[in-house]
Amino acid sequence: KQEVTQIPAALSVPEGENLVLNCSFTDSAIYNLQWFRQDPGKGLTSLLLIQSSQREQTSGRLNASLDKSSGRSTLYIAASQPGDSATYLCAVYQNFGNEKLTFGTGTRLTIIP
Amino acid sequence: GAGVSQSPRYKVAKRGQDVALRCDPISGHVSLFWYQQALGQGPEFLTYFQNEAQLDKSGLPSDRFFAERPEGSVSTLKIQRTQQEDSAVYLCASCRGGHEQFFGPGTRLTVL
Repeated sequence: KQEVTQIPAALSVPEGENLVLNCSFTDSAIYNLQWFRQDPGKGLTSLLLIQSSQREQTSGRLNASLDKSSGRSTLYIAASQPGDSATYLCAVYQNFGNEKLTFGTGTRLTIIP
Repeated sequence: GAGVSQSPRYKVAKRGQDVALRCDPISGHVSLFWYQQALGQGPEFLTYFQNEAQLDKSGLPSDRFFAERPEGSVSTLKIQRTQQEDSAVYLCASCRGGHEQFFGPGTRLTVL
């Protein structure tokens, strides 16, 4: 059974710093990996989708990398801003024919002004 | 904007009541998913539809939970005889096959 882990569970950094969030998964035979952010009391907002054939994806100040062989993904946030404060979740798709996502428990990020 | 919508946003039920939660997916998205999110946890998969066919219901926690999508668009998640442990946020997501999933705002269910 696939298990997804995110460390740390919480992180506080001063505004302007670059930071890295980590995601690891036990079964490397994944199809895609997706990063989300969740604001308190809200649904999930998709940030980046990395297909299994890709090594990284970029969107603005965000860069996500994927190393399937080691079962790891990282989300890099450059020049952090207070508006980046949220919980960040990674999730893996196991198979093309079964598209359910297995989520980690998230990293709660606080950017200190 | 035609995102995923869910209703109601909040639902309070007395233990033993039946509830129905609605999801309107993005138009044209064939795949629809239900997830349950407990406080402080990541979402957990409940069930998955491709058009009107329920392809995977392995995550439904008991036979009190039932989901349907009769016309391949709107879906309803029904919980019968609610229990306190059913209290959670219920998230719906949709996607075109094999692509990124888009989530609705969720329904927060509180069972008293």
